[in-house]
Amino acid sequence: DTAVSQTPKYLVTQMGNDKSIKCEQNLGHDTMYWYKQDSKKFLKIMFSYNNKELIINETVPNRFSPKSPDKAHLNLHINSLELGDSAVYFCASSQEYDQPQHFGDGTRLSIL
Amino acid sequence: DQQVKQNSPSLSVQEGRISILNCDYTNSMFDYFLWYKKYPAEGPTFLISISSIKDKNEDGRFTVFLNKSAKHLSLHIVPSQPGDSAVYFCAAIIMNRDDKIIFGKGTRLHILP
Repeated sequence: DTAVSQTPKYLVTQMGNDKSIKCEQNLGHDTMYWYKQDSKKFLKIMFSYNNKELIINETVPNRFSPKSPDKAHLNLHINSLELGDSAVYFCASSQEYDQPQHFGDGTRLSIL
Repeated sequence: DQQVKQNSPSLSVQEGRISILNCDYTNSMFDYFLWYKKYPAEGPTFLISISSIKDKNEDGRFTVFLNKSAKHLSLHIVPSQPGDSAVYFCAAIIMNRDDKIIFGKGTRLHILP
């Protein structure tokens, strides 16, 4: 019974395209996050939503936009994809900011 | 099915004592393990890592121990300080295959004065 699910798991697309990655959590958590893993060690927070309100927006390009239709979903939209966007993107959720987080399996985005 | 498990959601330790955070994994293909630390309203930051060819790695107050036969690793913090209060994530990677980090759910460490 998956707690945090991301789709798709793998996404291969060309530069300039617009794509979305979906995230859903069935834990009833109030806070959801998007992270970018751009090297083996570093995980950069991109956005978090708490009760449908954007709380954190680390200075990511405005080509990236989070969309939260309801508390259980936080989707990531990316416009005009660039080569540097190739990375693994993780969705996560937690009840509060200082509580343990449940991570999704990640989406590997490859830009051709 | 969770491949990386942190069975203690929270842990309280007296300041000055040793904090021990535990992590178990199921996939014997994992060959690189990491610990991340996360403060509220911030993203996880890398803390310390260990390759599967080692059984111990030390960095200042932080030491990670790896027991491959038990598929278990632990993070020791000595001595514990108030600034160590945070959520700690254990993570694992299969190098040169996917490079995708697999995270545990995290353990919230609370250092008591």
